[in-house]
Amino acid sequence: RKEVEQDPGPFNVPEGATVAFNCTYSNSASQSFFWYRQDCRKEPKLLMSVYSSGNEDGRFTAQLNRASQYISLLIRDSKLSDSATYLCVVKGNKLTFGGGTRVLVKP
Amino acid sequence: GAVVSQHPSWVICKSGTSVKIECRSLDFQATTMFWYRQFPKQSLMLMATSNEGSKATYEQGVEKDKFLINHASLTLSTLTVTSAHPEDSSFYICSARDPRGSGSYEQYFGPGTRLTVT
Repeated sequence: RKEVEQDPGPFNVPEGATVAFNCTYSNSASQSFFWYRQDCRKEPKLLMSVYSSGNEDGRFTAQLNRASQYISLLIRDSKLSDSATYLCVVKGNKLTFGGGTRVLVKP
Repeated sequence: GAVVSQHPSWVICKSGTSVKIECRSLDFQATTMFWYRQFPKQSLMLMATSNEGSKATYEQGVEKDKFLINHASLTLSTLTVTSAHPEDSSFYICSARDPRGSGSYEQYFGPGTRLTVT
């Protein structure tokens, strides 16, 4: 079993719609959680940290469920520019990346 | 602006040659840098952790004699792919940890180096 698992997608999303996807992790001792965004042939960039109480940053909402060991990302009012691969990242003694979920927002 | 740079951004080399990739932290001193590799449609895989002034720590399955890491200063780490083969073709990304972080895990990624071995 992979340490961090994601649905690879792609999620085809109409512009303006809401999309949500999860990530599961296997190490219950994981300390911190993040969502990164990676555009094609570019480096990953931090989108947001994920806190136990859940947190929101504009149109993006992240949730953490420690009991079930998953985190989620919800994107509201999708923009064409949201098209990217979203990487779930879990920190134990190092950063471990999921395989990414590809999101395609279409007009 | 970018806080971590990599050079070169892309390189094509012949099989059997060696390639050096540089990673620099631009406005902070990084005692720890990380080297990742990403194959197409796959996730980033940590190759090694580079500590300034000491030997790098390699992840399981990564050959330390093939992927030479040098972290001679607080702003520069280099990865040398020795005797490169076509299967080494990949996207190599470095990152650096900013020790000035307020407690959150401040790790910044370089723009990556795309290596193609022919």
